[in-house]
Amino acid sequence: KQEVTQIPAALSVPEGENLVLNCSFTDSAIYNLQWFRQDPGKGLTSLLLIQSSQREQTSGRLNASLDKSSGRSTLYIAASQPGDSATYLCAVAQTGANNLFFGTGTRLTVIP
Amino acid sequence: NAGVTQTPKFRILKIGQSMTLQCTQDMNHNYMYWYRQDPGMGLKLIYYSVGAGITDKGEVPNGYNVSRSTTEDFPLRLELAAPSQTSVYFCASAPASYGYTFGSGTRLTVV
Repeated sequence: KQEVTQIPAALSVPEGENLVLNCSFTDSAIYNLQWFRQDPGKGLTSLLLIQSSQREQTSGRLNASLDKSSGRSTLYIAASQPGDSATYLCAVAQTGANNLFFGTGTRLTVIP
Repeated sequence: NAGVTQTPKFRILKIGQSMTLQCTQDMNHNYMYWYRQDPGMGLKLIYYSVGAGITDKGEVPNGYNVSRSTTEDFPLRLELAAPSQTSVYFCASAPASYGYTFGSGTRLTVV
């Protein structure tokens, strides 16, 4: 069974810092990997989707990388802002499964 | 474009009561999903559907039922509510096994 782990569980940084969130998964037979943002009391917003054949995706200040063979993905956030404060979830779509396997998330706080 | 709409947003149930969580999408997506999220945990799949008339169990289906009579609607039924079903429930839809759109969630408390 696919297991997805996110480290750290919580992170506080001062505004302007660059930061990296980590995601690891146990089964490398994945179709794609997604990073989501969740604000308190809200639903999930898709940030970046990386197909299994890709190494990275970029959107604005966000860059996500994927190393399928080692079962790792990172989400890099440049020049962090207080508005980036949220929980970031990593989710894996496994080959042959009609489902996303989610990590438990990293709660990010950017301090003004 | 409404996306995925879930109702109600909040609900308190007594033990043993039943209720239906509604989910509607207007994007003509074939795939629809119900997840639950417990505090400090990731989302767990309850049920999913790959098209009208087709449903299948996910990781945590016990105590729940679903139906998919139309492409747009995917209601989740809770029978005989238990405290263990206290959670936040999310509905999602997708055109395939990628490109998920999530609803804003239903916060359910069973007392």
